[in-house]
Amino acid sequence: EPEVTQTPSHQVTQMGQEVILRCVPISNHLYFYWYRQILGQKVEFLVSFYNNEISEKSEIFDDQFSVERPDGSNFTLKIRSTKLEDSAMYFCASSEGWLAGVAEQFFGPGTRLTVL
Amino acid sequence: TQLLEQSPQFLSIQEGENLTVYCNSSSVFSSLQWYRQEPGEGPVLLVTVVTGGEVKKLKRLTFQFGDARKDSSLHITAAQPGDTGLYLCANTDKLIFGTGTRLQVFP
Repeated sequence: EPEVTQTPSHQVTQMGQEVILRCVPISNHLYFYWYRQILGQKVEFLVSFYNNEISEKSEIFDDQFSVERPDGSNFTLKIRSTKLEDSAMYFCASSEGWLAGVAEQFFGPGTRLTVL
Repeated sequence: TQLLEQSPQFLSIQEGENLTVYCNSSSVFSSLQWYRQEPGEGPVLLVTVVTGGEVKKLKRLTFQFGDARKDSSLHITAAQPGDTGLYLCANTDKLIFGTGTRLQVFP
């Protein structure tokens, strides 16, 4: 069964460093998403991506964040200068269609980012 | 911004008991989804409800969408340890998740 994969599973970095989180969405999906979940808190939407551009983003997704689909398979989230409060689980998701059409969203296993 | 409040926040029960989890919104849902998330994994979709008053069953799980489409409930009959996890409601049209209900079922 096709699945969303994410690497690395755990990333430890120093405050101020740049990190790139990688995701491989399901191959025939067209919509891609990043979420984060701070330990013990709810899942928060960061950004959605379609047709090689950002379609929606939340207030959390400020200038220190960027997303890219550098090739036909990878979807990356870059955090330019990490802060302590960026420590969280980051989930990538993909869907075949836009969610307003109640398409199913498939989540990856997540990358745990720890900022020291 | 729509707020999705779930209750209870935590629930610990014995195997075989029944339980209900609630999701309440500050505004109308266009559609609502329920997910279950296990530790160290991403959320997995359980069901999507679209029509006010809709009831969907998934084995021992019954999902109900309120008539006014501002609330939903998830009822589990005869809970099993495998039901343990974090249950999340979501308005995926708005890309908003609820606060979650953490369920622990003891054998």
